[in-house]
Amino acid sequence: QSALTQPPSASGSPGQSVTISCTGTSSDVGGYNYVSWYQQHPGKAPKLLIYEVDKRPSGVPDRFSGSKSGNTASLTFSGLQAEDEADYYCSSYAGTNTYGVFGGGTKLTVL
Amino acid sequence: EVQLVESGGGLVQPGGSLRLSCATSGFIFNDFAIHWVRQAPGKGLEWVSGISWSSTSIAYADSVKGRFTTSRDNAKNTVYLQMNSLRPEDTALYYCAKGINIITVVFMADYWGQGALVTVSS
Repeated sequence: QSALTQPPSASGSPGQSVTISCTGTSSDVGGYNYVSWYQQHPGKAPKLLIYEVDKRPSGVPDRFSGSKSGNTASLTFSGLQAEDEADYYCSSYAGTNTYGVFGGGTKLTVL
Repeated sequence: EVQLVESGGGLVQPGGSLRLSCATSGFIFNDFAIHWVRQAPGKGLEWVSGISWSSTSIAYADSVKGRFTTSRDNAKNTVYLQMNSLRPEDTALYYCAKGINIITVVFMADYWGQGALVTVSS
């Protein structure tokens, strides 16, 4: 049950596009289309942004998008906004004994 | 409105036990898996355990296997996390979260509670 790998930090200016990566293995990210992404503001519970690699729950703006290539999943912000400053976590299903494994989280700063 | 409310957190000595509850409302409880996720102070998220709608599938993170037990009461729309042999490294905010897809146990959570704080210290 090794954690997925995310960059610890990312940044961008308002209006810019930013991508956060999430690297796993063929036993988790690469083996299933069950990657999800969560946004967490300080002191708040996580919020689901993306599930099943690229699907958005209702109410999540379309400037958030997800994708996957091989063992690496990505979360892309198209047009950063100040309120996007938060921590972001990826997660993946990893088999019948591990329903979920998280990345270490990425702190996004909006300059 | 979907709601998940955790309770039962508190201060416990190393080696002690605690039981968390996750009371839910606003959705068909019997259709969805429920998961426990924890977050140590200043740290990232860690998936702890998940239980299927029927309780026939339950899994645990290696870090808690053999010490924690997850169960659910579909008549009470409530999930429980029994934590035994607690260690200081179990200190965290414990969230319960609802699976997004009907029936599957895959962890993808669309609703979360606000968390219950567990502190393991002498």
